[in-house]
Amino acid sequence: GDSVTQMEGPVTLSEEAFLTINCTYTATGYPSLFWYVQYPGEGLQLLLKATKADDKGSNKGFEATYRKETTSFHLEKGSVQVSDSAVYFCAPSDDQAGTALIFGKGTTLSVSS
Amino acid sequence: DGGITQSPKYLFRKEGQNVTLSCEQNLNHDAMYWYRQDPGQGLRLIYYSQIVNDFQKGDIAEGYSVSREKKESFPLTVTSAQKNPTAFYLCASSLRGTIYEQYFGPGTRLTVT
Repeated sequence: GDSVTQMEGPVTLSEEAFLTINCTYTATGYPSLFWYVQYPGEGLQLLLKATKADDKGSNKGFEATYRKETTSFHLEKGSVQVSDSAVYFCAPSDDQAGTALIFGKGTTLSVSS
Repeated sequence: DGGITQSPKYLFRKEGQNVTLSCEQNLNHDAMYWYRQDPGQGLRLIYYSQIVNDFQKGDIAEGYSVSREKKESFPLTVTSAQKNPTAFYLCASSLRGTIYEQYFGPGTRLTVT
């Protein structure tokens, strides 16, 4: 079935460092792609999305580009802040389950000042 | 404000008891979902519903049951047949269609002893 693979964490960075979190997926169709963020003890919040090939999603300094040829949707930010410390999930939509999403294990980001 | 609510935030039960987790949304979304999250794991789909009076099993439906009698509500019952019910449960809703993001509730942490 469809699946998603994220880079293992935790990722530990100093404030103002560059961030990349890799995400690749397998899909039989053409999924929409999402990045969600989860702060401790909370639900998930949408960070950004892309719904077709070559689309770039962006929000709060984070960016990700839908790369159909490499089935990837890597998350990047040029300068991280302590407040970006959280768990990040890459999630393609699942054509086989209505509009449900497929989640990987998530990548924990820890930013120190 | 529109949103999705889950209650209670923390729930404690004895082994062998059924327990029902509440999920309500006022976003006028047709689709609703239940996910389970275990420490260090991603989210796994339990059940989803695309429309009132209809729902489908997700990847880990065994030991769980749902109902969808109203558009706004999608309660999840964790039955005594669920072998490892202690987890963080997240409810979400969305418009129908894979291009639409899901909105998540704050989650319910269930502990069964």
